[in-house]
Amino acid sequence: AQKITQTQPGMFVQEKEAVTLDCTYDTSDPSYGLFWYKQPSSGEMIFLIYQGSYDQQNATEGRYSLNFQKARKSANLVISASQLGDSAMYFCAMREGATDKLIFGTGTRLQVFP
Amino acid sequence: DAGITQSPRHKVTETGTPVTLRCHQTENHRYMYWYRQDPGHGLRLIHYSYGVKDTDKGEVSDGYSVSRSKTEDFLLTLESATSSQTSVYFCAISDTTNTGELFFGEGSRLTVL
Repeated sequence: AQKITQTQPGMFVQEKEAVTLDCTYDTSDPSYGLFWYKQPSSGEMIFLIYQGSYDQQNATEGRYSLNFQKARKSANLVISASQLGDSAMYFCAMREGATDKLIFGTGTRLQVFP
Repeated sequence: DAGITQSPRHKVTETGTPVTLRCHQTENHRYMYWYRQDPGHGLRLIHYSYGVKDTDKGEVSDGYSVSRSKTEDFLLTLESATSSQTSVYFCAISDTTNTGELFFGEGSRLTVL
């Protein structure tokens, strides 16, 4: 069974600093995809970044990068130069190739302070 | 933005009554999903569909049923609502091309008294 673990219920970071949000996963399927979503207080789910299991390089999207360590089964999100607008819930998710279920972790609440 | 709408957006009902939530998409995507979001649990998959009349269970399917008679509509039914089903329900769609990312609806807040 697939599983996603986010061990940090909450994180604080000062504006303009970098922050890493942790995510580990468990799957026996060699083909899978890893996702990060942001949920601001308004409630919508915003897709941030994707990493495929066969991708050789870490994914990057603007200030977001995914630190993919396949052997450790970790897919940490790195946000560089944090902004006040980055304050939100962040969810890690995984999709196995054999099924089309996309399973989420419990989330990390990030608060950026001035 | 992906064309996905949920209805109703808010509903208050009483224990034991049936409830149906509707998800409608205009993207012609093959996959549709229903999640519930609760504090401390993140988003949990209830049911999903990979085509018309093709559905499968997720992590928390007990007490829920779904139907998909058309590509654009995915219905979630609570046959007899319980207080434990008070939650925010999200519908999502995916076409599994490219990254297969999900596009989410705005959510439906259900309160069961």
